[in-house]
Amino acid sequence: SQTIHQWPATLVQPVGSPLSLECTVEGTSNPNLYWYRQAAGRGLQLLFYSVGIGQISSEVPQNLSASRPQDRQFILSSKKLLLSDSGFYLCAWSFGDGYGYTFGSGTRLTVV
Amino acid sequence: ILNVEQSPQSLHVQEGDSTNFTCSFPSSNFYALHWYRWETAKSPEALFVMTLNGDEKKKGRISATLNTKEGYSYLYIKGSQPEDSATYLCAPFTGGGNKLTFGTGTQLKVEL
Repeated sequence: SQTIHQWPATLVQPVGSPLSLECTVEGTSNPNLYWYRQAAGRGLQLLFYSVGIGQISSEVPQNLSASRPQDRQFILSSKKLLLSDSGFYLCAWSFGDGYGYTFGSGTRLTVV
Repeated sequence: ILNVEQSPQSLHVQEGDSTNFTCSFPSSNFYALHWYRWETAKSPEALFVMTLNGDEKKKGRISATLNTKEGYSYLYIKGSQPEDSATYLCAPFTGGGNKLTFGTGTQLKVEL
């Protein structure tokens, strides 16, 4: 069966520091991968998605970037965090056919 | 960007009450409609995937209907229990891409 791992679970980082959140999927190959964020008082916003290694689509301009160095690995990064980057980040995967969207356990990021 | 609206934004009901929420979405290029249940700081949990106009799905006390021609879906909870307290998200999949666009959700609080 397929599983998705996301870490860390919580993170407190100072403004201006770098960020790296990692997500990995097991038990499948060539999944579509996604990064979502819920900022305080807001809904779930799609940040990036990837349909293959090295293929990244950005949904909104922001201080973040994503990379997919391996088939089942998706990384969310920032060179310098802003206060507005605080939020709950979720990684997800799917087969890309409109079905079966599975989420990781999430990372609570607080930028101080 | 797909416009997905959910109403009400929040809802407080008493234990045993039945309740329902609405999800509105563009009816063009419709492929599937997903409902998720999301508890704070946890992964969203898939409830239903609906594809056909007039479709009705049921899972325990929770059911959902779909109208693809007019672009809406209803989620019903019969005899609400405190453990039903969560945010309920809908997300249409239009097939034109590989991503779900989530509504802002309906936050349900069931009180004893």
